[in-house]
Amino acid sequence: EVQLLESGGGLVQPGGSLRLSCTASGFTFNAYTMSWVRQAPGKGLEWVSAVSGSGGSTFYADSVEGRFTISRDNSKTTVNLQMNSLRAEDTAVYYCAKDYYYDSSGYQNPVSFNYWGQGTLVTVSS
Amino acid sequence: QSVLTQPPSVSGAPGQRVTVSCTGSSSNIGAGYDVHWYQQVPGTAPKLLIYGSTNRPSGVPDRFSGSKSGTSASLAITGLRPEDEADYYCQSSDSSLSRVVFGGGTKLTVL
Repeated sequence: EVQLLESGGGLVQPGGSLRLSCTASGFTFNAYTMSWVRQAPGKGLEWVSAVSGSGGSTFYADSVEGRFTISRDNSKTTVNLQMNSLRAEDTAVYYCAKDYYYDSSGYQNPVSFNYWGQGTLVTVSS
Repeated sequence: QSVLTQPPSVSGAPGQRVTVSCTGSSSNIGAGYDVHWYQQVPGTAPKLLIYGSTNRPSGVPDRFSGSKSGTSASLAITGLRPEDEADYYCQSSDSSLSRVVFGGGTKLTVL
């Protein structure tokens, strides 16, 4: 059974930093691109960032480029999101999501998401 | 303002058929990128309903179907059930913006 468990959310002041983690199990972790998708309170879904199966390619939304850094540790089956220079508009539930398609190259773009974690809430407020 | 445009809400009576539209542009759906659909019951994580524009993952009832034409896509739900009441999101890729784009979501009410 595929499981994705996020952690690391919480309350942080504007300009602060936070590191989210997602621990995966139940599938061949290094064979899939992993993404973070967020949802602000009462709003829709927004893709944030992705890392390819090998970790060799990373992808970012324009809204977080230069502030957020995604990484993965295939030996620990974890994907992390380091969030710096946080803003009020970064307040959201952050979901970890597994790509549907097998990453045969190790450098695959994110495409679609067939498994999601339960989400972790990040609140940026003074 | 979302890159993909969906109606804010749709509704239908039990047993009826409803469709949810998703309109994009020449840099996403019109560029040939597939459309994917998700169902989200409030307070829970999204669930993949349709991938690759027309395909259902294992376990998704055949009451749900997807189509794509030009710069638009649609999700059709037949034989509406009360448990279908949820938010529905379309998603694709975009060659000129962030690599993954979502629609703004459509709230389905089962009357």
